[in-house]
Amino acid sequence: GIQVEQSPPDLILQEGANSTLRCNFSDSVNNLQWFHQNPWGQLINLFYIPSGTKQNGRLSATTVATERYSLLYISSSQTTDSGVYFCAVRNSGGGADGLTFGKGTHLIIQP
Amino acid sequence: EAGVVQSPRYKIIEKKQPVAFWCNPISGHNTLYWYLQNLGQGPELLIRYENEEAVDDSQLPKDRFSAERLKGVDSTLKIQPAELGDSAVYLCASSLGATREETQYFGPGTRLLVL
Repeated sequence: GIQVEQSPPDLILQEGANSTLRCNFSDSVNNLQWFHQNPWGQLINLFYIPSGTKQNGRLSATTVATERYSLLYISSSQTTDSGVYFCAVRNSGGGADGLTFGKGTHLIIQP
Repeated sequence: EAGVVQSPRYKIIEKKQPVAFWCNPISGHNTLYWYLQNLGQGPELLIRYENEEAVDDSQLPKDRFSAERLKGVDSTLKIQPAELGDSAVYLCASSLGATREETQYFGPGTRLLVL
């Protein structure tokens, strides 16, 4: 099946810093989503972005489907941004019908 | 608009006991998914429903796990009997339709601890 690799696995930043999270995937996709899992375990949708660029406030994301990667940018980090960020994809060539998740990036924003 | 609802939020049982989880998807969403999330890992798909039909259950351990989605709305996931290794978070998600390119929305999950 499709492989999803996220980097870095862990990231500790001071409040106000900017960060870039990366997601590499091994095959073509027709669905790519970024999620934030908060400390209570809730998966919060950030972006549906199988290609192109989107922005929402301090967050933005870019997917370059031809090169099989996606980037999530967080600017002016706040302590509430802490948690695990997951990239999840669906292989357009077939395979599992659900999303395949990476192992996530654990982000800690210190005050 | 209400999100995906799951219950219970937490469940503690002894091994060999049965357990069931319930999910109510977002209104109008025809596609429903059950995922399993182990500690420190991303969620993994167990089963996908299109309306009341299970169209992908290849990852569901059928010797002890079962699921149903009567009337194409609510769904129940059951484990019987539970084993220690089943301790995990069980997540339900839904999306609008069958194109599989659409955004999936997740519920808060049920945290299961098997003693």
